[in-house]
Amino acid sequence: NAGVTQTPKFRILKIGQSMTLQCTQDMNHNYMYWYRQDPGMGLKLIYYSVGAGITDKGEVPNGYNVSRSTTEDFPLRLELAAPSQTSVYFCASSYTGTGGSTDGYTFGSGTRLTVV
Amino acid sequence: KQEVTQIPAALSVPEGENLVLNCSFTDSAIYNLQWFRQDPGKGLTSLLLIQSSQREQTSGRLNASLDKSSGRSTLYIAASQPGDSATYLCAVKGSIGNTPLVFGKGTRLSVIA
Repeated sequence: NAGVTQTPKFRILKIGQSMTLQCTQDMNHNYMYWYRQDPGMGLKLIYYSVGAGITDKGEVPNGYNVSRSTTEDFPLRLELAAPSQTSVYFCASSYTGTGGSTDGYTFGSGTRLTVV
Repeated sequence: KQEVTQIPAALSVPEGENLVLNCSFTDSAIYNLQWFRQDPGKGLTSLLLIQSSQREQTSGRLNASLDKSSGRSTLYIAASQPGDSATYLCAVKGSIGNTPLVFGKGTRLSVIA
């Protein structure tokens, strides 16, 4: 059972380039999330999805796009990379999102992105 | 808007000490509260999850308590070890709609041998 898998682990982008951060989970979780973590700033929610075909904005969505065509996959796309998007990106999933006894979040190991 | 605060931001203790990490949140309408551990350069590992109807949860040397009415949670670590050195994050899930987890900034713990 792999849990939540993120690729790549590291990436350096030039300003204006685009890329897709991949996230896949094999736990049949309905809910998936993208967070970014900046030093000393905690985690901030970028986008989330409550099921295939449904996505919603989080706290810091500008400059990002997502799609959820399957239950397993939730890619995050950066269209025009900017230095402000230098961060560590975490994908997470949970079963229902409604706070049941087993409804903790499972996180991927993260993607460290640098935009130069 | 839910805000989560963790105090202290950093803590250094000698090995063997018992310690308490604090977490406070502004909106008491929560479904659950979760404590995570994050090692440098790594992802988040879930330690304990407390439902809004519960008062505490225990796992090994870890005990987390929840006082929803006052908007507070504590993570108690007994007999600390150097391997406990990490950043500990508190996160709450609101009870309204599909609100995802809101995180505190974490407490960076160093246990000195």
